[in-house]
Amino acid sequence: GAVVSQHPSRVICKSGTSVKIECRSLDFQATTMFWYRQFPKQSLMLMATSNEGSKATYEQGVEKDKFLINHASLTLSTLTVTSAHPEDSSFYICSARSWGFSGANVLTFGAGSRLTVL
Amino acid sequence: AQSVTQLDSHVSVSEGTPVLLRCNYSSSYSPSLFWYVQHPNKGLQLLLKYTSAATLVKGINGFEAEFKKSETSFHLTKPSAHMSDAAEYFCVVTRSNTGNQFYFGTGTSLTVIP
Repeated sequence: GAVVSQHPSRVICKSGTSVKIECRSLDFQATTMFWYRQFPKQSLMLMATSNEGSKATYEQGVEKDKFLINHASLTLSTLTVTSAHPEDSSFYICSARSWGFSGANVLTFGAGSRLTVL
Repeated sequence: AQSVTQLDSHVSVSEGTPVLLRCNYSSSYSPSLFWYVQHPNKGLQLLLKYTSAATLVKGINGFEAEFKKSETSFHLTKPSAHMSDAAEYFCVVTRSNTGNQFYFGTGTSLTVIP
């Protein structure tokens, strides 16, 4: 089945630094990937839709200059949190849209990245 | 427009008893529906999906769900809960086959009591 690898799983950084999170589709090509943020005991909040070869589409209220998304290839999307601050500390999850055996439109998720900004 | 409502934010069952997690959806189009499970500090794992084929869908780990169009429901069930089932469960809807937007429920936290 489809596998999405997300790296790093945990990262701790100092306030003001930038952090990059990678999301790779390992055995399929993903023209569309999604980035989510999840607060404790809450559902996933969609941040942006990443489209290969074009600019990401950001959800309302998400700062695109703070959360830079690049989808340069069919198997890799990256999220860079620029000038991170403690309020950016969160669990970030990526997913990729794949097509199952039935031809169905399915989301496959990465394992998530826990960002802690000191 | 599409949306998902998970009717219970928290469900608690005893080990070995049945599990019922409720999900109602709203969709202007023919929907695809999914249940995902999330264990602490992990990503989401697909349990099962409905994509306009059989209305009773069997998933992994003994879970199944039934698509009921008349009730706009897609409830998740399991005959006998196991301790390892304790996790957060999300119901998700998208437009069948062509949807690029996936709508998440708020999640149901399942506790299994030994």
